[in-house]
Amino acid sequence: EAGVTQFPSHSVIEKGQTVTLRCDPISGHDNLYWYRRVMGKEIKFLLHFVKESKQDESGMPNNRFLAERTGGTYSTLKVQPAELEDSGVYFCASSRLGGALYEQYFGPGTRLTVT
Amino acid sequence: GENVEQHPSTLSVQEGDSAVIKCTYSDSASNYFPWYKQELGKGPQLIIDIRSNVGEKKDQRIAVTLNKTAKHFSLHITETQPEDSAVYFCAAFFGNEKLTFGTGTRLTIIP
Repeated sequence: EAGVTQFPSHSVIEKGQTVTLRCDPISGHDNLYWYRRVMGKEIKFLLHFVKESKQDESGMPNNRFLAERTGGTYSTLKVQPAELEDSGVYFCASSRLGGALYEQYFGPGTRLTVT
Repeated sequence: GENVEQHPSTLSVQEGDSAVIKCTYSDSASNYFPWYKQELGKGPQLIIDIRSNVGEKKDQRIAVTLNKTAKHFSLHITETQPEDSAVYFCAAFFGNEKLTFGTGTRLTIIP
């Protein structure tokens, strides 16, 4: 079974530019989560999809962040326009619907650097 | 809001010795406490977890203890090996469908 994949692995952009991160969850996993870790700090929850619906987006920092999951498969996280404080590692995780919500499988992350 | 504190932030131990990482949580309603290991270039991987109805769980060289009264839980790694070097995260599940993580501990095993 393929794991959670994320693309790109690294992205370096300038302040004001736009970046789109992609996550492909494990096949059959209806729950999809986005997290972010800023250097040296905790991994913070951003949002949770159940299939194509946003179940909880309470962790999204502001309206410069837009997450989508059209069709309930892969998800994208767009940052527009990017600011310096958006730098960090963005993780995606997925889990089965109806399974233990906490049994989440994480992708390798996308390291975003905003200069 | 929910909060998980983790200590220490860095830990170095001699190979073969034990390592202990401690976490405290704020919400007494928390019922699930996983530990994740993140190796270089990879995402966090679940290594062990404990639910609120037990006080200790062991899996080979790894054990986790939970003190619900004090609201703290710990990860114990015995007979450490070089491959145990990684960043370890504790987390708590507060029942609102999301995990709250600690700040991580970078564990280095000295050969």
